[in-house]
Amino acid sequence: GAGVSQSPSNKVTEKGKDVELRCDPISGHTALYWYRQRLGQGLEFLIYFQGNSAPDKSGLPSDRFSAERTGESVSTLTIQRTQQEDSAVYLCASSPGPAREQFFGPGTRLTVL
Amino acid sequence: KQEVTQIPAALSVPEGENLVLNCSFTDSAIYNLQWFRQDPGKGLTSLLLIQSSQREQTSGRLNASLDKSSGRSTLYIAASQPGDSATYLCAVLTGANSKLTFGKGITLSVRP
Repeated sequence: GAGVSQSPSNKVTEKGKDVELRCDPISGHTALYWYRQRLGQGLEFLIYFQGNSAPDKSGLPSDRFSAERTGESVSTLTIQRTQQEDSAVYLCASSPGPAREQFFGPGTRLTVL
Repeated sequence: KQEVTQIPAALSVPEGENLVLNCSFTDSAIYNLQWFRQDPGKGLTSLLLIQSSQREQTSGRLNASLDKSSGRSTLYIAASQPGDSATYLCAVLTGANSKLTFGKGITLSVRP
């Protein structure tokens, strides 16, 4: 079946604008994760969903970041009032359940000018 | 706090060589460990998953081992090919929140 998909693949925005990033997990996967990869740095965990609840939001860097998930389907990551330090590749992953193998999407490259 | 280290950051080898990529982690209370491959500008491809109760996993020319008590894993690549050139990331899953903690990766270049 289809893998994890993300849109858009690239997003260029101006500082101060809001952006929404979308993730479509593998069908049937109950767990969904957002990670961030900044240039020259390792991947950072942002948030974890089990179903449509988020038991762990500990990685969200500030209150400008929020995420939601509809049922066991699509998730959106919203960044308000973007800053240049938000520039990164945002990766989404899904897994059949907690503590299972995670499968990653191609990522969204966000550039904040 | 879990920390994952991959050394060296980059490696260049001639085609055909067998090689070992190392990964170490500080907290041995892990659920599993995954090795990923990342090509430039692309997402992550899962290569192997080792559960905490397992010692190794094999897929084709790849073999990953896990020594949980010492906090180490190795990824063995047999008969390397130029197509193996990529960044290899090690990640451990610790705790009930299921988040992966990643190393910074090893960028492998296989010379024809």
